[in-house]
Amino acid sequence: NFMLTQPHSVSESPEKTVIISCTRSRGSVASNYVQWYQQRPGSAPTTVIYEDDQRPSGVPDRFSGSIDSSSNSATLTISGLKTEDEADYFCQSYDGTNGVFGGGTKLTVL
Amino acid sequence: QVQLVQSGAEVKKPGASMKVSCKASGYTFSDHHVHWVRQAPGQGLEWMGRINPKSGGTNYAQKFQGRVTMTSDTSISTAYMELSRLTSDDTAVYYCARDRGVNWLDPWGPGSLVTVSS
Repeated sequence: NFMLTQPHSVSESPEKTVIISCTRSRGSVASNYVQWYQQRPGSAPTTVIYEDDQRPSGVPDRFSGSIDSSSNSATLTISGLKTEDEADYFCQSYDGTNGVFGGGTKLTVL
Repeated sequence: QVQLVQSGAEVKKPGASMKVSCKASGYTFSDHHVHWVRQAPGQGLEWMGRINPKSGGTNYAQKFQGRVTMTSDTSISTAYMELSRLTSDDTAVYYCARDRGVNWLDPWGPGSLVTVSS
């Protein structure tokens, strides 16, 4: 099994850009798709990125995803930050048939 | 639209079992795996396992092997997750989620809060 490691928290000002990383401990990050979920307090997670870099309909194009084989990481980039982006963000992949979640990153927009 | 409706909050005693339901609508239930994920208060997301409603086949996280049972009833488009021998560490919100393929979980149910307390 592998682990996905995220920074515990990040903060940035409105209109700026923030990058959240998700580093895979073993095996190639390119081996299995990575998803990113946004979770606001008291709500269920919703998808902001799926299959590494795909954005569901309804998610603003300010959200983008990528993978970087050199650092064995996936990244979520949010540009033009808005106060409404303040939330927890979780990356997720899978190991065979088992799901794996990152520990989550609390994004503060101040 | 695709929707998952979960059973309500419960309070359980230590040592008891819990069973959460997840009723799906808006899609062909048997065509998609259903995953179960839990979130303890103030903590992250923890994958518990998944079920293939068509075959009944399951995959469980090693941590829950022997204590979790996932089932489904395609006639009523409902998945169930039963967890036994509860302790206070099992206090959490339990989510079901549809697998849209390649383990992309979407959408998620609203969650069912289970509190384990004596």
